[in-house]
Amino acid sequence: DAMVIQNPRYQVTQFGKPVTLSCSQTLNHNVMYWYQQKSSQAPKLLFHYYDKDFNNEADTPDNFQSRRPNTSFCFLDIRSPGLGDAAMYLCATSRGVLAGQETQYFGPGTRLLVL
Amino acid sequence: GQNIDQPTEMTATEGAIVQINCTYQTSGFNGLFWYQQHAGEAPTFLSYNVLDGLEEKGRFSSFLSRSKGYSYLLLKELQMKDSASYLCAGMDSNYQLIWGAGTKLIIKP
Repeated sequence: DAMVIQNPRYQVTQFGKPVTLSCSQTLNHNVMYWYQQKSSQAPKLLFHYYDKDFNNEADTPDNFQSRRPNTSFCFLDIRSPGLGDAAMYLCATSRGVLAGQETQYFGPGTRLLVL
Repeated sequence: GQNIDQPTEMTATEGAIVQINCTYQTSGFNGLFWYQQHAGEAPTFLSYNVLDGLEEKGRFSSFLSRSKGYSYLLLKELQMKDSASYLCAGMDSNYQLIWGAGTKLIIKP
């Protein structure tokens, strides 16, 4: 089945220790998104890639970086996690960004705990 | 500014019908999405409306009024598994999703 896969599902890291979350997709979608979601809050878009074009949200901290080495994979790097970065991190994909292509499909998420 | 408003929490009875309302303000408009999110899981796509009217999909229907900036999600024949948060999201002129915080729906037997 075509899907969006995130690994790991749960990640524990220490304050200040770099961590990488991964996302892969078998949908062959052009766009990949990373969201941060805290409990009972709306998902917050961090950045997205349209193919290799990187689009950073204006309020995304520099502590968050992303890589998309190929169509299928996208990584979220948190360089120095703080306690406030503990959240669910959601990867999503869409075929495109224009009409008829814009529905986003989500992976299961990675829950990050910072000790 | 851009904003999505929806109730924080609703309670309904198994077998009944519930309507979850959403009002939106976006810079331009390219459609309104509803997602279901069970606790600790990712959102799953339910519906997309870009034209006025009602879209029916099994037990779930979604309605849009662009002139009023208003949508609702209608859930019929409620089942216990429908207990979840329901997220309303509007797409702006840049095709960015503006998300609401979600409505937590509690189903009682």
